[in-house]
Amino acid sequence: GNSVTQMEGPVTLSEEAFLTINCTYTATGYPSLFWYVQYPGEGLQLLLKATKADDKGSNKGFEATYRKETTSFHLEKGSVQVSDSAVYFCALNNAGGTSYGKLTFGQGTILTVHP
Amino acid sequence: DAGVIQSPRHEVTEMGQEVTLRCKPISGHDYLFWYRQTMMRGLELLIYFNNNVPIDDSGMPEDRFSAKMPNASFSTLKIQPSEPRDSAVYFCASSLWGIQPQHFGDGTRLSIL
Repeated sequence: GNSVTQMEGPVTLSEEAFLTINCTYTATGYPSLFWYVQYPGEGLQLLLKATKADDKGSNKGFEATYRKETTSFHLEKGSVQVSDSAVYFCALNNAGGTSYGKLTFGQGTILTVHP
Repeated sequence: DAGVIQSPRHEVTEMGQEVTLRCKPISGHDYLFWYRQTMMRGLELLIYFNNNVPIDDSGMPEDRFSAKMPNASFSTLKIQPSEPRDSAVYFCASSLWGIQPQHFGDGTRLSIL
């Protein structure tokens, strides 16, 4: 079956520090990969996506590259801000088989950025 | 564009009462998902629909939970009778064609006393 593993949190950084949140996946075929962000008291919002190998998704200074050879989709940002404090979820959507339409989520990583 | 709309945003009720959560998906989306989020279990998919038809309800925890989608613009998740362990944030999400990103509502925070 499909699975997503994220690095365990919480992650605590100072403002302007470099961020990496690791994400690896297991899936058959060619899944689409996503990063979602959840701010306190809100639902999940799509942060970025990649639909095929070597694609790079980017948004709001965040980037992630779809690496099929390492089955990874690590999230990076060069300089984090206090406003980036949130929970980050890695997810995959495998269009094949019986799981069509379903997102498989990682467990989420809490990020706290201090001034 | 209007996003996914959930109501109520907060619900506090006593054990044993019936609870109904409501969701209006984004117009034109043909997939609708119900999730539950707790600190202990994280984000769980309860059930999802395609073109108003339930596709997978394997995540529904018990017979006390039921979900319906009478038309393309409305869905309900019902808990009867409710129990304290049902306390959680319930999210509704919708997507186009299933493989497109899911769009989430702001959730319903449910507290069962």
